[in-house]
Amino acid sequence: AQSVSQHNHHVILSEAASLELGCNYSYGGTVNLFWYVQYPGQHLQLLLKYFSGDPLVKGIKGFEAEFIKSKFSFNLRKPSVQWSDTAEYFCAVPTSGTYKYIFGTGTRLKVLA
Amino acid sequence: NAGVTQTPKFQVLKTGQSMTLQCAQDMNHNSMYWYRQDPGMGLRLIYYSASEGTTDKGEVPNGYNVSRLNKREFSLRLESAAPSQTSVYFCASTVSYYNEQFFGPGTRLTVL
Repeated sequence: AQSVSQHNHHVILSEAASLELGCNYSYGGTVNLFWYVQYPGQHLQLLLKYFSGDPLVKGIKGFEAEFIKSKFSFNLRKPSVQWSDTAEYFCAVPTSGTYKYIFGTGTRLKVLA
Repeated sequence: NAGVTQTPKFQVLKTGQSMTLQCAQDMNHNSMYWYRQDPGMGLRLIYYSASEGTTDKGEVPNGYNVSRLNKREFSLRLESAAPSQTSVYFCASTVSYYNEQFFGPGTRLTVL
């Protein structure tokens, strides 16, 4: 069965620090990959997505992610975090042959001002 | 466009009571989903509807039923609420299964 793993459950950073959140998936075929963000008390919103082409994908608010097929990874990065980036981040992948998505368990990021 | 809307925003039930959570989308999306979100467990799929007229079980369907009323609306029913169903419930929709999902604002449900 397909799976998505997020290794960091809680991350605390100071403002201006660099961020990298890990995401690994198990499916070896063609994949579409997503990162969603959930700000406190809000619903999930799309941060960025990868369908095909350039493996380095840029999203909103200065976030980017790199698809590395050989490592089954889609890590999220930001060079310099801000206090407003405090949120929970979810990696997700649609499962092949179904209409279901698999979400990782999420990473809670706290940015200290 | 309102996107995905959910009602109610908050609800408190007593064990054994029933209720229906409503979800509607105005983006002409084909597929709709119900998730529950619990601390440390991410999002878990309860039921989904790939297209109008079809519904399928997700990861945690027990204790729930759904109705895809039309292309716009997808409701979730708790027939006999239990404290284990205390959670935040999100509805989502997508134009096709490999595209991004759009989420509603959520319903915070407490079962006493």
